[in-house]
Amino acid sequence: NAGVTQTPKFRVLKTGQSMTLLCAQDMNHEYMYWYRQDPGMGLRLIHYSVGEGTTAKGEVPDGYNVSRLKKQNFLLGLESAAPSQTSVYFCASSQSNYGYTFGSGTRLTVV
Amino acid sequence: AQSVTQLGSHVSVSEGALVLLRCNYSSSVPPYLFWYVQYPNQGLQLLLKYTTGATLVKGINGFEAEFKKSETSFHLTKPSAHMSDAAEYFCAVTLPMTGGGADGLTFGKGTHLIIQP
Repeated sequence: NAGVTQTPKFRVLKTGQSMTLLCAQDMNHEYMYWYRQDPGMGLRLIHYSVGEGTTAKGEVPDGYNVSRLKKQNFLLGLESAAPSQTSVYFCASSQSNYGYTFGSGTRLTVV
Repeated sequence: AQSVTQLGSHVSVSEGALVLLRCNYSSSVPPYLFWYVQYPNQGLQLLLKYTTGATLVKGINGFEAEFKKSETSFHLTKPSAHMSDAAEYFCAVTLPMTGGGADGLTFGKGTHLIIQP
């Protein structure tokens, strides 16, 4: 099925470890986004990309890096994980403001 | 910058009663507005959206919302609640895309809808 695929779905990290979350979309969308969801906070934008090779900071970018080397992939990196980064991460893609497609999420726990 | 306020982090209604979830927005220009639903341990599902045109928007599962510019509101309603409606609901806003590209959705903090039998 066409859509947004996030890997992995679950991960447990130790403080200080690094990891990369992968988001892949097969709809040829231009725009891609990474959000984090925390209880009582809604979804907050971490970083986004308006096209291949571009990235921009969102509302809560500190502690994260991103790359969009290929149009269909948007990677979110944590260089040195902290317990405050325990969250559910959602990727989304869009071709216009008329519609956004979300992935199923990655549940990350940092201990 | 745009923002969204959802009044009430938890709303409880009886099965069969009216569901009303409140959303107010702040935006410098007429925005596009969305309602999403999230069931436990799942992703986000689009309920409905307003971009332009008719201000009363009908969505899936019997939900609808009305864009009221004068009140800067986009409240979500359903005439008769069902047990299966129990979930988290998010209101979101974005601005019509400009040549600079889309900077994504801005979400409210969510409203947890509880259905009492």
